[in-house]
Parts: sequence; structure tokens; C-alpha cells
Amino acid sequence: KAGVTQTPRYLIKTRGQQVTLSCSPISGHRSVSWYQQTPGQGLQFLFEYFSETQRNKGNFPGRFSGRQFSNSRSEMNVSTLELGDSALYLCASSVDRPGQGNTIYFGEGSWLTVV
Amino acid sequence: QQQVKQSPQSLIVQKGGISIINCAYENTAFDYFPWYQQFPGKGPALLIAIRPDVSEKKEGRFTISFNKSAKQFSLHIMDSQPGDSATYFCAPIRGSSASKIIFGSGTRLSIRP
Repeated sequence: KAGVTQTPRYLIKTRGQQVTLSCSPISGHRSVSWYQQTPGQGLQFLFEYFSETQRNKGNFPGRFSGRQFSNSRSEMNVSTLELGDSALYLCASSVDRPGQGNTIYFGEGSWLTVV
Repeated sequence: QQQVKQSPQSLIVQKGGISIINCAYENTAFDYFPWYQQFPGKGPALLIAIRPDVSEKKEGRFTISFNKSAKQFSLHIMDSQPGDSATYFCAPIRGSSASKIIFGSGTRLSIRP
């Protein structure tokens, strides 16, 4: 069974540009969530999607957005990039069915460097 | 109520020794207590998890000890190996929504050969 797949794995962008990151969840998983990981702030929740709807959102500015498609694949977008957006962006998926546990499975992440 | 305190921040253990990482939480509504392991350049991977109806769970060299009254749970790595060198996160969760996970600050574990 394939794991959570994230693309691209590495990218470098210039301040002011925008970026789109993609995530394919584990087959059968309905929930996709996104996290930002930095050395100083640790793992911070960005947003969660379930059945193409944003279910929860973390404390990030509106420049950060996302969406989920009917096949559960998800994308996140960051507009007007700032230097402080340089981070590892992690996607995670879970089954999210009552009685089937609540284990979250992470992808390997997309390393974003803003210069 | 949402706070999770993980300790120590970093840990150096001799090969063959026991590594112990602790996590204290505030929210008594948490109902699943996992530990994640993260290697450099990789995403966190579920290592072991426990539900609050048991006090201990062992999987190979890894054991979770859970103290409900003290609101603490810990990860024990027996016979620690250099390959265990990684960052470990406790991540208690309430329910099934990923937004309800509260990650600890992480423990960087180094095993000396």
C-alpha cells in the first residue's frame, strides 16, 4: 500500500512569488491535513480537509490556502511568499472513520526555501 | 488546556542503554497517545501508540508507559541503537481529526556507538 506522496520534494522560490504543493493521501483515507515544520516553531497545524471541505484551520495568514479534490488528493498554496515561509511542509492523511482509530500518516514533506 | 510538555529537549545515550522521553499533558479529553519518530529529511512516522485504558504497551524494544492520574506518558527505548538516533514527538489527540493533535516540542535523541 503506497504511503502519503508529496510533490515536489524540494523547491526554491523568490520572495513575493507563490507556490503550490501537492499531496496524494493513502488510498482509502478521507482526511488530509497540512503542517508546517520549522526548527524554531516545531510542527504547526495549517488546515485539514475532509470530503473536499476545509474542516479546520490553524493560525496562519490568509496567504496560506488549500483545497481537496474528489479523489482526496490535496493541494496547498502560499501566495506572496516571505522569507519566513521557508520550512518543511508536511501532508498527513488518516482514515477518519468512527471506530477505525485516529492514526495520522505523514508524507516525507516538501522543503520550501524562499530567497 | 491544550499544552503538551515534552522532555528532555535532547538526549545522548550510549549504545545498549535505555532512552526515556517524557510527555506531560493538560487535556484529559485526549484519547490516543502516539509517539512519532522523525529522521532528518523525512516526515514523522508513527512509532508506537497507546489508548488510555491500558498502562503499558510494548512493541519490540519500544515501550509506552501511561500514567493517567499524573497525565503523563513516556517512551522507553531498550537496548538503544545508533539507528534509533532521530527526533521523537509525542502527539496526543482527541477524536479522529488531525487538527486535534497537539505535538510536543520534540526530543533529539543521539545514540553513541
